[in-house]
Amino acid sequence: DAGVTQSPTHLIKTRGQQVTLRCSPISGHKSVSWYQQVLGQGPQFIFQYYEKEERGRGNFPDRFSARQFPNYSSELNVNALLLGDSALYLCASTTRSSYNEQFFGPGTRLTVL
Amino acid sequence: AQSVTQLDSQVPVFEEAPVELRCNYSSSVSVYLFWYVQYPNQGLQLLLKYLSGSTLVESINGFEAEFNKSQTSFHLRKPSVHISDTAEYFCAVSDWGGSEKLVFGKGTKLTVNP
Repeated sequence: DAGVTQSPTHLIKTRGQQVTLRCSPISGHKSVSWYQQVLGQGPQFIFQYYEKEERGRGNFPDRFSARQFPNYSSELNVNALLLGDSALYLCASTTRSSYNEQFFGPGTRLTVL
Repeated sequence: AQSVTQLDSQVPVFEEAPVELRCNYSSSVSVYLFWYVQYPNQGLQLLLKYLSGSTLVESINGFEAEFNKSQTSFHLRKPSVHISDTAEYFCAVSDWGGSEKLVFGKGTKLTVNP
């Protein structure tokens, strides 16, 4: 079975631009979460979606938004990019019966110049 | 709110030596505990998890971790490391039955030298 997939792998943007990152969960997983991992740090929780509804939000500004589609894939949008948004963005999926065990994708490396 | 402290940012060891990566957590509620491993330029892979029951949990590649509720710790150990264990290791917690949000520590970079 395919794992969590994310696209694109790498992305370079300039300050002020907008970016959309995509994630496809493992087949059968209805919950998707997004994390930001800045170089040298642990991942920080951004959003969690379950059955297309937002179930959790981390301490990130409103420039960050996300949505989940009927097929359970998800998009993360970041507007008005800042240099500090440069990071590895990780998507994770889970079934609600898996005791919070989350399966991570390879991530999208975003560089903001 | 939960927090995780990984006491060592870098741990260098020689091949076949034992290693311990330390993790302490803080939470007002009961938690699940996890260790994830991240190889260079890759995502996170679950190494092992503590949900309930036996406080000693093991992974298939020789790592083990022990949940100590009184010391709020979940240290990761391996009796004999290999070069291939070189990676970054993250300890994480999430609360029982609530949000599926994981709270991670800052990570420990394990470097195994020949």
